[in-house]
Amino acid sequence: DTGVSQDPRHKITKRGQNVTFRCDPISEHNRLYWYRQTLGQGPEFLTYFQNEAQLEKSRLLSNRFSAERPKGSFSTLEIQRTEQGDSAMYLCASSPLKGGRYTEAFFGQGTRLTVV
Amino acid sequence: AQTVTQSQPEMSVQEAETVTLSCTYDTSESDYYLFWYKQPPSRQMILVIRQEAYKQQNATENRFSVNFQKAAKSFSLKISDSQLGDAAMYFCAYTGTASKLTFGTGTRLQVTL
Repeated sequence: DTGVSQDPRHKITKRGQNVTFRCDPISEHNRLYWYRQTLGQGPEFLTYFQNEAQLEKSRLLSNRFSAERPKGSFSTLEIQRTEQGDSAMYLCASSPLKGGRYTEAFFGQGTRLTVV
Repeated sequence: AQTVTQSQPEMSVQEAETVTLSCTYDTSESDYYLFWYKQPPSRQMILVIRQEAYKQQNATENRFSVNFQKAAKSFSLKISDSQLGDAAMYFCAYTGTASKLTFGTGTRLQVTL
């Protein structure tokens, strides 16, 4: 078990470009979450998947953001036409089903996005 | 909507001493979990301790323990025998029926010699 893996760790992009991040959850974890963390703040929920189904999206997730989890394994988060306000750490987490509940989240190291 | 409040942006503790980090939350749910996560600089967030709301007994993990006051909606973290490696951002978090985590703004803990 290698933990939650995110790629890339850092991304610098010019405003207006598209970027895509990848998350590989812990194997057999059904739930996968994306969070965004800006400097000095706690992570904010963006969206989550149960297997391949995207079950909830936050209001924070504008129509420039799209996430997928094909085949219920890894997930990608794409941001189109990036803006400077998108600069943040993007965190992925996965959760196992335990006792009928998804309660514990295991986080990856995050992808730090800088939009210049 | 659930909210989590951490009113201490920064705390400092001497090595080997004890420190308590505060957290309050607001919810109308009766079934929920509370967590403390640690985020060292440039490193991933790791779970320190968790508390199930229906359990009256406060959770303990080695040097880490919580004081869970359900009626007051308070959930503080006590770190005993502080070590240099405890220096990090600490986030209080809540999860209920929605299964997503709601985090506080964090407390930066400094450990001094």
